[in-house]
Amino acid sequence: NAGVTQTPKFRVLKTGQSMTLLCAQDMNHEYMYWYRQDPGMGLRLIHYSVGEGTTAKGEVPDGYNVSRLKKQNFLLGLESAAPSQTSVYFCASREGTSGGDEQFFGPGTRLTVL
Amino acid sequence: RKEVEQDPGPFNVPEGATVAFNCTYSNSASQSFFWYRQDCRKEPKLLMSVYSSGNEDGRFTAQLNRASQYISLLIRDSKLSDSATYLCVVNPWYSSASKIIFGSGTRLSIRP
Repeated sequence: NAGVTQTPKFRVLKTGQSMTLLCAQDMNHEYMYWYRQDPGMGLRLIHYSVGEGTTAKGEVPDGYNVSRLKKQNFLLGLESAAPSQTSVYFCASREGTSGGDEQFFGPGTRLTVL
Repeated sequence: RKEVEQDPGPFNVPEGATVAFNCTYSNSASQSFFWYRQDCRKEPKLLMSVYSSGNEDGRFTAQLNRASQYISLLIRDSKLSDSATYLCVVNPWYSSASKIIFGSGTRLSIRP
């Protein structure tokens, strides 16, 4: 099993450009999450999904959109990137209410917005 | 007040030492607790869950104090490879999808 994978690993954008970050998991997990991590700060939840076709806002959703068309994939979109979105983005998945609480993380995407 | 607070450190201790971190949480209804480890520029990984009765995994011991609303992590006989950031994680409600809260982390550096 590959676990949780993220693409791309690194990206540099100019202000105003758009991009999509892809997260994929092969563990058949129900829940998926997008976090951002900034220096000296904890992980902050952007959006999450409790199942295929459902998404919800987290703590810091502004400037981001998500989609979960397939159970195994969770996409994070930046429509018009801003320097404040420079961060490391982590995707995570979790089994769901019938399973444990452990979250499995992808390796992260390092995004710089100039 | 932050929902989950940790001493950011860094803790700089010699190899072989015992080191302990605490993490406080504000929501008394919190149900499940964890310690994650995050290496530099890597993703967080589960180190251990924290049970009400306390639990031990090799050199690592985790404890929960519900009355004072904190969890602790004790590392005995520390190794160079223990150098990392340790994240305290709290789930306020059982199996809630969205309410998992991460602390900012405590940095630990083990010196030879």
